Amino acid sequence: DAKTTQPTSMDCAEGRAANLPCNHSTISGNEYVYWYRQIHSQGPQYIIHGLKNNETNEMASLIITEDRKSSTLILPHATLRDTAVYYCIVRLFSGAGSYQLTFGKGTKLSVIP
Amino acid sequence: DSGVTQTPKHLITATGQRVTLRCSPRSGDLSVYWYQQSLDQGLQFLIQYYNGEERAKGNILERFSAQQFPDLHSELNLSSLELGDSALYFCASSEGQGLGEAFFGQGTRLTVV
Repeated sequence: DAKTTQPTSMDCAEGRAANLPCNHSTISGNEYVYWYRQIHSQGPQYIIHGLKNNETNEMASLIITEDRKSSTLILPHATLRDTAVYYCIVRLFSGAGSYQLTFGKGTKLSVIP
Repeated sequence: DSGVTQTPKHLITATGQRVTLRCSPRSGDLSVYWYQQSLDQGLQFLIQYYNGEERAKGNILERFSAQQFPDLHSELNLSSLELGDSALYFCASSEGQGLGEAFFGQGTRLTVV
């Protein structure tokens, strides 16, 4: 799996957009970028994933650079409940193969009132 | 609520003992994954089952074993427990073997004394 690099921690003011960067310079052409978050020892929660196009859902937007070597997760209006550790994961998609998420240390996002 | 149920929520046991952790996946999900999260190691993938068959193995100790039953629930057996086995154990499930959204349970907190 491609290795990812994320900042250890970030702060964001409540109501502002939180932009969480991730570096994955060794990503292969068929590897997807996934984002999960974990709120204080709860089970990790899926946020979004993408291959090369930007993606948006009700939780967040994912911006992937054209060379796919980095991406940014955007929480458009951060709330206190978004305080969590955010994990950027790169994993090969295979319909018939095994699948596991390899978690790094993630970014601890603190949303400040 | 992710739809993945783990029991028990908390477990305290002595060194040398054996415990069984149980996971019921979301309805319709065929894959089950087990993860261990300790303070110093982060989230570590242990093992994956798909429709009753082992599909992938991670950093799972020989003292640990798992299985997935015909009704698709899974059990993780931990034996000859050591203090270092104290951790949060998460189960996740997904629809197929391929990459998609994985849903995590709330975990079992194991304390070995």
